[in-house]
Amino acid sequence: GAGVSQTPSNKVTEKGKYVELRCDPISGHTALYWYRQSLGQGPEFLIYFQGTGAADDSGLPNDRFFAVRPEGSVSTLKIQRTERGDSAVYLCASSQTGGSGELFFGEGSRLTVL
Amino acid sequence: QKEVEQNSGPLSVPEGAIASLNCTYSDRVSQSFFWYRQYSGKSPELIMSIYSNGDKEDGRFTAQLNKASQYVSLLIRDSQPSDSATYLCAAGKYNFNKFYFGSGTKLNVKP
Repeated sequence: GAGVSQTPSNKVTEKGKYVELRCDPISGHTALYWYRQSLGQGPEFLIYFQGTGAADDSGLPNDRFFAVRPEGSVSTLKIQRTERGDSAVYLCASSQTGGSGELFFGEGSRLTVL
Repeated sequence: QKEVEQNSGPLSVPEGAIASLNCTYSDRVSQSFFWYRQYSGKSPELIMSIYSNGDKEDGRFTAQLNKASQYVSLLIRDSQPSDSATYLCAAGKYNFNKFYFGSGTKLNVKP
């Protein structure tokens, strides 16, 4: 596609439920990032993929969060046993080289945990 | 201490004026710096990148980097109401795989 695509755009769930958020990066972009943005804050780094492997997952807040990118393209962020504090906009970004810093963001998935 | 610090604003300037946005970073190993613009309810979009000390100009935008002072700035000349947005400063470290964002400065350009 022309840009980074994220689905769903909005997700409302109940505390304790499992959630999956999907990201389809720009075709040919090898690097993929997940960020989380709370209201009034800047994006907070979660995880970075170079190809299929998670090159840096140091931003994942705890073991309830997991992300995969099995074929080096689409990525899924998985959140188990959701908590109200997980409510935020989850942003996915991709980059052509993995090192340039020129990130192209999707429109985000807004997660609300009731 | 946050990796990247910005004044949250709002910064209000009249149309046609120069808007000056500032950012400091804490880690001297940071090597790449970026300014993203984020309209309300939208995702960030890159407007400027800078890697070397000095100024870099692109149209109405000028990014300035001072590594000794660990300071990055963005100047917007001839500000337009359409420039009203939150401006995010980001810094990348030597391995280029993690980019830290500031909390953003909200800019209001008044007609």
